[in-house]
Amino acid sequence: DAMVIQNPRYQVTQFGKPVTLSCSQTLNHNVMYWYQQKSSQAPKLLFHYYDKDFNNEADTPDNFQSRRPNTSFCFLDIRSPGLGDAAMYLCASALAGTTDTQYFGPGTRLTVL
Amino acid sequence: AQKITQTQPGMFVQEKEAVTLDCTYDTSDPSYGLFWYKQPSSGEMIFLIYQGSYDQQNATEGRYSLNFQKARKSANLVISASQLGDSAMYFCAMRESQTGGGNKLTFGTGTQLKVEL
Repeated sequence: DAMVIQNPRYQVTQFGKPVTLSCSQTLNHNVMYWYQQKSSQAPKLLFHYYDKDFNNEADTPDNFQSRRPNTSFCFLDIRSPGLGDAAMYLCASALAGTTDTQYFGPGTRLTVL
Repeated sequence: AQKITQTQPGMFVQEKEAVTLDCTYDTSDPSYGLFWYKQPSSGEMIFLIYQGSYDQQNATEGRYSLNFQKARKSANLVISASQLGDSAMYFCAMRESQTGGGNKLTFGTGTQLKVEL
């Protein structure tokens, strides 16, 4: 089945130790998104790729970076995680020009010790 | 700027009953899309239903229907015949265009639904 996959589902890192979260999709979608979601809050968009074009949200900290080496894969890099970066990270994809429905992966829950 | 309002932080419904989750929105864009997502405690955001601003009929997907009242700017989700597995957080969201291409979702604050026996 076509889907959005995120690995790992749970990630534990130490304060200040770089961490990379991965996302892949088999839907052949041209747009991919990364969200941060903290407890009892709505998801917050960090950035998105429209094809190869990177679009950063104005309030996304510089500590967060992203790479999209090809259509299917997208990575979220947190260069120096702080305690405040502990959250659920959701990846989504969409096909631009249709209903633009975003389909989400299962998420990666990040713990910072 | 677009805005989504969900005024019910928590709702209870008995199994097999219908429940309506409220959502109102505000936008100056004549073309927009409205979405409902379900988020169980596992964390995954599950797409439920979509309504386009130009759609003449209310969207339906199985037990889910969207009561779209454009003049009132409301897009309420109706779940019929509630099941225990419907217990989850429900988010209403609206699509807005991005200058860089691709569309951005504005989310409401969510409604936590609990289905009881």
